[in-house]
Formats: sequence, structure tokens, C-alpha cells
Amino acid sequence: GAGVSQSPSNKVTEKGKDVELRCDPISGHTALYWYRQSLGQGLEFLIYFQGNSAPDKSGLPSDRFSAERTGGSVSTLTIQRTQQEDSAVYLCASSLAGPLSNTEAFFGQGTRLTVV
Amino acid sequence: GQQLNQSPQSMFIQEGEDVSMNCTSSSIFNTWLWYKQDPGEGPVLLIALYKAGELTSNGRLTAQFGITRKDSFLNISASIPSDVGIYFCAGQIGNQFYFGTGTSLTVIP
Repeated sequence: GAGVSQSPSNKVTEKGKDVELRCDPISGHTALYWYRQSLGQGLEFLIYFQGNSAPDKSGLPSDRFSAERTGGSVSTLTIQRTQQEDSAVYLCASSLAGPLSNTEAFFGQGTRLTVV
Repeated sequence: GQQLNQSPQSMFIQEGEDVSMNCTSSSIFNTWLWYKQDPGEGPVLLIALYKAGELTSNGRLTAQFGITRKDSFLNISASIPSDVGIYFCAGQIGNQFYFGTGTSLTVIP
């Protein structure tokens, strides 16, 4: 597609349930990022995928969080046994990556997760 | 992670006024980016800067990549109500993007 697409736009879930958030990056973008944005806060890095390399998971806040990227395109962020502190907007971004090059990140519209 | 200091944290201005905000870092970046985020939306890229000293305009927006590669500013001239939102700076180095904490802009008609 023309831009980064995320689904669902909004998700309300009960505490303790698992959720899956989906990101469809811009076609041809090899790098994909997940960020978390709490109310009124900046962007917290979660995980980064680059091509077929092992992902950089250094930002994942706990082992309840995991992500995968199938076929170098679509990514799914999974949160198991959700807690109320997981409530936030989850943003996905993609870029034409290259560690030695200039590049920009383009964001999806985000998924607003509310854990009740 | 690397820290980007963005200021001011918030601004309340009259319509028609000019706005200036900036970001500084202790680290150098290859690219500086400025984004705007409206409520309920993802950040939208406004301007990208690729070289130290570069000055780039996009309509009423002007941004500069600091000569030390550790800072950048964004100016908005003749503000209008639709400029309301949160503005984020970002620095790119290697595989990573680092974001400022945002400047919340309110334009009073």
C-alpha cells in the first residue's frame, strides 16, 4: 500500500487476555519498527526488524511482549496476559534502512490499546 | 538510548505569530527529522534533513540541521489554527531513530 497500515485502530481487552496488533509496512521497506506511546508521552522503542537479520528486541518491556515479521513484510506484535499498564498507543514505522545511509521513518496511524 | 532534549515542552501562541522549537543531543546523527502528530493519529513526517548545515523549507516550515550534527531547529511562520498538535524531532544514526519528547503547540485564534 501507499502508507504504513495498522490494525485494529482501537482495541479494548480484558486484563489477562492476549492481543495481537498488526502492521503492514510500505512496500519495499526493509526495516520495521514498533514503538509505544503512553498518554501525553514520547515514543518508546520496542523492537526493530531489518530484512532477514535477527530483530533488535532490546526495547521490549517484558517477556509478555513478542513480535514477528513474516516474509519480510507484515509484522505482528503480541502482548500476552495484558495488564492495565500496557494501555497505550502502539505505533509501527517502516523505512528504507541502511546503517550507513540517510533514511526516514514513516508511521502508521497506530493502535490504541485499552486494557480494562 | 540516546537522549534528545526538545524544547519548549509546550507553547501557546496567537494566530499569525511565528514559532520556534529545537532539539539538542549529546550524540551526532546522520539525519534529523521533524514530525507532527495530531490527536488519534500517527506522527506525520514534515521535514527531513540530511547534511550538517542544511536549511530546508516546506511551505511555512523551515528546519535546519545543526553544523555540529547534534542539534536541529524547526520554525513555523505565520501560524494558523491547524498548526495545533505535537511536534517531535528525531535523529537517525545506523539502524535507529531517537525521538524528542515533543512540543505541544496551541494556536489561539
